[in-house]
Amino acid sequence: AQSVSQHNHHVILSEAASLELGCNYSYGGTVNLFWYVQYPGQHLQLLLKYFSGDPLVKGIKGFEAEFIKSKFSFNLRKPSVQWSDTAEYFCAGHSGAGSYQLTFGKGTKLSVIP
Amino acid sequence: KAGVTQTPRYLIKTRGQQVTLSCSPISGHRSVSWYQQTPGQGLQFLFEYFSETQRNKGNFPGRFSGRQFSNSRSEMNVSTLELGDSALYLCASSYTGQLNEKLFFGSGTQLSVL
Repeated sequence: AQSVSQHNHHVILSEAASLELGCNYSYGGTVNLFWYVQYPGQHLQLLLKYFSGDPLVKGIKGFEAEFIKSKFSFNLRKPSVQWSDTAEYFCAGHSGAGSYQLTFGKGTKLSVIP
Repeated sequence: KAGVTQTPRYLIKTRGQQVTLSCSPISGHRSVSWYQQTPGQGLQFLFEYFSETQRNKGNFPGRFSGRQFSNSRSEMNVSTLELGDSALYLCASSYTGQLNEKLFFGSGTQLSVL
């Protein structure tokens, strides 16, 4: 079965620290992967997405993610976090051709301490 | 351009009752999908509609149903409510629901079952 797993439930960092949030997927064939973010009191919004091509994907607000096929991973990174990055981050993947549903990881809550 | 609108924002029901939630997608979007978000399970896919047709259904009991109207607005219904149905129900829309499209999420309806 297709699944997406996120390693960390809650991450606490100080401002200016580097961030890496883990995401692993289990899909066969073509994969389409996403990172969504939910800021406190706001709706879910897309950070970045990967479909094909360059495995290093850049998104909004300085975030990037690297697709490593051999490791079935799509980790999210940011070199220097800010207090405003405090949010919950969700990795998600499409279940393949003919499917219109996203499978989400359980989310990682990021708290950035000023 | 208005975002995805979900009504009502909050609902309190008792066990055994039924509930109807509404979602108005972004103008021009014809795909509407529904997700259930809980602290323990994260986001789980309920169903997806396109042009009034359900194309995908998640692993939920038959008490969960939905429909889409000709103007792309969608409703979901939960009958015979159980305590475990307490959750944030999110609606998302996109132009066609294809794999490479970004989903736009609403703020959700928070359902509490007492």
